[in-house]
Amino acid sequence: GESVGLHLPTLSVQEGDNSIINCAYSNSASDYFIWYKQESGKGPQFIIDIRSNMDKRQGQRVTVLLNKTVKHLSLQIAATQPGDSAVYFCAENRKAAGNKLTFGGGTRVLVKP
Amino acid sequence: GAVVSQHPSWVICKSGTSVKIECRSLDFQATTMFWYRQFPKQSLMLMATSNEGSKATYEQGVEKDKFLINHASLTLSTLTVTSAHPEDSSFYICSAKQGFVVPGELFFGEGSRLTVL
Repeated sequence: GESVGLHLPTLSVQEGDNSIINCAYSNSASDYFIWYKQESGKGPQFIIDIRSNMDKRQGQRVTVLLNKTVKHLSLQIAATQPGDSAVYFCAENRKAAGNKLTFGGGTRVLVKP
Repeated sequence: GAVVSQHPSWVICKSGTSVKIECRSLDFQATTMFWYRQFPKQSLMLMATSNEGSKATYEQGVEKDKFLINHASLTLSTLTVTSAHPEDSSFYICSAKQGFVVPGELFFGEGSRLTVL
């Protein structure tokens, strides 16, 4: 069925290095994408979003890239810090589906000191 | 930013009992609230969409008679797990949306961990 999925379940990264988290989606009608960070035992925390009419958006230390041709979404974290250790989820929104978010499987990022 | 509060943050109950989880928007009026369930090491799965003053819309496969949702005010939605069983043990998360801006900004609660013995 239609889904949003991730390539890598776990990503280990050295402190200070850049992290790249990938996400594949299958529904070309998705019009809005969001990256969330979830720390253990807590709810998701909004990181950054991007609309389908864009291919790149930058925030503070984070950049989201959207490639609609291959239905691929990525989150880049610059200069990864220990506080970035968490599980990261991409989520898609489709207006036609009532604006409900569909979450991907998640990637755990472990930052090594 | 806006705050969504869930209560309780964790609860342990005996099999066969019912448990109520509250989701409150503390500083805004939430026209729509969503309830998710998350099993360990898995993603969030949407259970239902709750609109103030109307019946909740449940996702396919979610039993509406087992997971009772009430959204009686613009700041409160409740999820009641009726006749809970160990397989209902999970992390339940709510989110709330302010206004009708599409797609709008969703604010998530901190989650409620349910353990059914």
